[in-house]
Amino acid sequence: NAGVTQTPKFRVLKTGQSMTLLCAQDMNHEYMYWYRQDPGMGLRLIHYSVGEGTTAKGEVPDGYNVSRLKKQNFLLGLESAAPSQTSVYFCASRPSGGGPYNEQFFGPGTRLTVL
Amino acid sequence: TQLLEQSPQFLSIQEGENLTVYCNSSSVFSSLQWYRQEPGEGPVLLVTVVTGGEVKKLKRLTFQFGDARKDSSLHITAAQPGDTGLYLCAGGSSNTGKLIFGQGTTLQVKP
Repeated sequence: NAGVTQTPKFRVLKTGQSMTLLCAQDMNHEYMYWYRQDPGMGLRLIHYSVGEGTTAKGEVPDGYNVSRLKKQNFLLGLESAAPSQTSVYFCASRPSGGGPYNEQFFGPGTRLTVL
Repeated sequence: TQLLEQSPQFLSIQEGENLTVYCNSSSVFSSLQWYRQEPGEGPVLLVTVVTGGEVKKLKRLTFQFGDARKDSSLHITAAQPGDTGLYLCAGGSSNTGKLIFGQGTTLQVKP
């Protein structure tokens, strides 16, 4: 099992460009999450999904869109990148059952720089 | 808005020393998780505590959940260089599995 994979690992964009980050998991998890990590700010939730075809906003959704067309994939889109979106982006997944003991499994991250 | 404050943000100690990291909030959480993250990788779960006053041990690491389920601590005994990393606490409070993360504590253990 590959677990949670993210594509690409690194990307440099110019202000105003668009891009899509891909997250894939092979654990048949229902729930998937997109976070951004900035120095001194921990992880902040951007968007999440509790199942195929459903998405919801997290703490910092502005400037991002997501789609969950297939259970195993969760896409994060930036329509018009801004320097403030320079960050490390992490995708995570977890199963729906098991209550609070279920852990979130994280991908290795995508480092995005917006110039 | 639920917030989790971690302290200290940075800690640099010598091998063999003990340390404690704190995670505090004014909100009640149904669960509290601790993750460890190494450079260039995603966080990995260390432990989940659910019951107020709960104490869990993982080798040299001791985790405690406050009686009121608003705070938690991580204590490391006789730290080793392999303990170096970023430690994150995360509070859970909904059926969607959403987590609120603290800012993180960067630990450096020098040999």
